Amino acid sequence: NAGVTQTPKFRVLKTGQSMTLLCAQDMNHEYMYWYRQDPGMGLRLIHYSVGEGTTAKGEVPDGYNVSRLKKQNFLLGLESAAPSQTSVYFCASKRTARGYEQYFGPGTRLTVT
Amino acid sequence: RKEVEQDPGPFNVPEGATVAFNCTYSNSASQSFFWYRQDCRKEPKLLMSVYSSGNEDGRFTAQLNRASQYISLLIRDSKLSDSATYLCVVNGAGSYQLTFGKGTKLSVIP
Repeated sequence: NAGVTQTPKFRVLKTGQSMTLLCAQDMNHEYMYWYRQDPGMGLRLIHYSVGEGTTAKGEVPDGYNVSRLKKQNFLLGLESAAPSQTSVYFCASKRTARGYEQYFGPGTRLTVT
Repeated sequence: RKEVEQDPGPFNVPEGATVAFNCTYSNSASQSFFWYRQDCRKEPKLLMSVYSSGNEDGRFTAQLNRASQYISLLIRDSKLSDSATYLCVVNGAGSYQLTFGKGTKLSVIP
């Protein structure tokens, strides 16, 4: 079991460039999440999905899009990167039932110059 | 009031000390509670769930007070390896969403 994996681990973008972050989980979890973590801000939810083909906005969705075409994958897209999107991005997954914890991937460190 | 509030610290304690972290939450309908640990530049990992009756896992004890909407984590006999940021986590409005506190940083000093 690899758990939750993220690619890439590091990326440097120039302002205006686009990219896609990939999250994959092999635990057959229904729920998947994208967070960003900035110093002093804690984890902030960007988008989440409660099942294949469904997505929903979290606390800070602007500038990001997501897709969940397959149950095991959750993609986060930045169409036109901005320096404010410099952050560490974590993906997580969870079973459906209440009481179960979220499992996190190792994170992607993104710098936008 | 923020949904989940924690003292950011840092807490600097000597090895062997006992340290306690507190957390308050605003949603009285919350049902599930957790403590996560996050090492520097790593992902958060579950430390322990928190049950209504309180629970213990080795040197770690978690308590929940629903009436006061308060959660605590006690670490006894602190080790250098306990140095990390501890996140208080509460489930949101539905079963799918967890709300994370900003974390309390602990440094255990030799």
